[in-house]
This record gives sequence, C-alpha cells and structure tokens, in this order.
Amino acid sequence: SQQGEEDPQALSIQEGENATMNCSYKTSINNLQWYRQNSGRGLVHLILIRSNEREKHSGRLRVTLDTSKKSSSLLITASRAADTASYFCATVNFGNEKLTFGTGTRLTIIP
Amino acid sequence: NAGVTQTPKFQVLKTGQSMTLQCAQDMNHEYMSWYRQDPGMGLRLIHYSVGAGITDQGEVPNGYNVSRSTTEDFPLRLLSAAPSQTSVYFCASSFQTVNSPLHFGNGTRLTVT
Repeated sequence: SQQGEEDPQALSIQEGENATMNCSYKTSINNLQWYRQNSGRGLVHLILIRSNEREKHSGRLRVTLDTSKKSSSLLITASRAADTASYFCATVNFGNEKLTFGTGTRLTIIP
Repeated sequence: NAGVTQTPKFQVLKTGQSMTLQCAQDMNHEYMSWYRQDPGMGLRLIHYSVGAGITDQGEVPNGYNVSRSTTEDFPLRLLSAAPSQTSVYFCASSFQTVNSPLHFGNGTRLTVT
C-alpha cells in the first residue's frame, strides 16, 4: 500500500514559472524524502526532511513539512526545461527500515 | 566511483524461467534494497538488507529471493518467472539506513512472456 500520495499527478508549466507539488501520507513518519526521476533512469535524491524540521532548501528547491496535516510540499522556483521529470515523495516510519514511495507527479516544463 | 550498478539493462524471459538480477555498489553502503516500478503504481519495495548476512521482506516479496553474502552485492532471484513480474527493477543503497539518501541504479527492464 502507498504511504505517500502526490498531488497533482501531472503538471505542465511555462519555463521560468514556479512548480509546486504536494505529498500527503497516512501515518507518523521519521523522515520524508523527495526524489526526481528522468525518463528511463533511476531516481535521484533531492532533499530529506526529518519529522522535527519544518522547511529545508537546496538551490532552487524548497521543501516544507507539516506533520499535523501529514503533508509535505516541494517547490521548484524559476523552472527550467531540465526540470522536466517525475517527482516522488517517500516516507520512513518510526522503527522501520523501509522507504515507501508515492505514485509521483509528472512535471513538464514548456520552453 | 561507479555508484550502484545493475545488470542486465534489459531481459526477456519465458514464463517459468529463472534468472538473477545483479546489483553491486562500490560506496561501502550497509543498506541495500530492491524495488519494482510499474505504471501508475510508483515504486514498491521487494526486499531489503541492512547489512551483510541480513535480509528482510518488503511490500511485495512473493516470487523473489535475495541474499547478501557481501557488503557490495545484493542479487535478486526470480525462481519461476510469471508475466506479473514484468516490470522495471531498481536496486538502491544508502550509507547506513533509510534515514540517509538512497542511491539508485539505472534499472533492469524485465519482460516475461
């Protein structure tokens, strides 16, 4: 069963605009991670945010975590064509050695 | 460093055949795992290992076996392939546990006819 569910399933924006993707999960977590997958490739880690953190930044990426709402968001600012990919959130529950992925958001940047 | 290396990249099997998907990492990572990715399903965990000699089941372990005799290698065995095992398989590793980032291989695309 999926722990994380991304929203929207697909998103198309113009180059230069900001892209926001959301992730909701069901049970308490130890940490939440975001990954990117380019077509035909493996996943690449973007950001890990722990349950006691509320926001993290990495370059043009900003991740927020709201444990009271069991949700996270990934913001990509000033999007580029190279950001076209699928984005997945993944969660780790307390006392668990399993990373559970959501179904992903397909982001398309229109030049 | 090569990172996580998966072989083969593509494989076609007939129903009932067996095969081993290879996964090797050169980063001295303790944690390794196997996922399958199907359209609309995201990635689902098959098996994982927290260190040499230790393996455990994930979400969808049926039809798959694993072993971890060394830190570097984590092969995935299909004993009797079924069409339902047609998928893309990813191996991933991390330094200690899933509380650190996973490094993924580029996948093996398996078709079972």
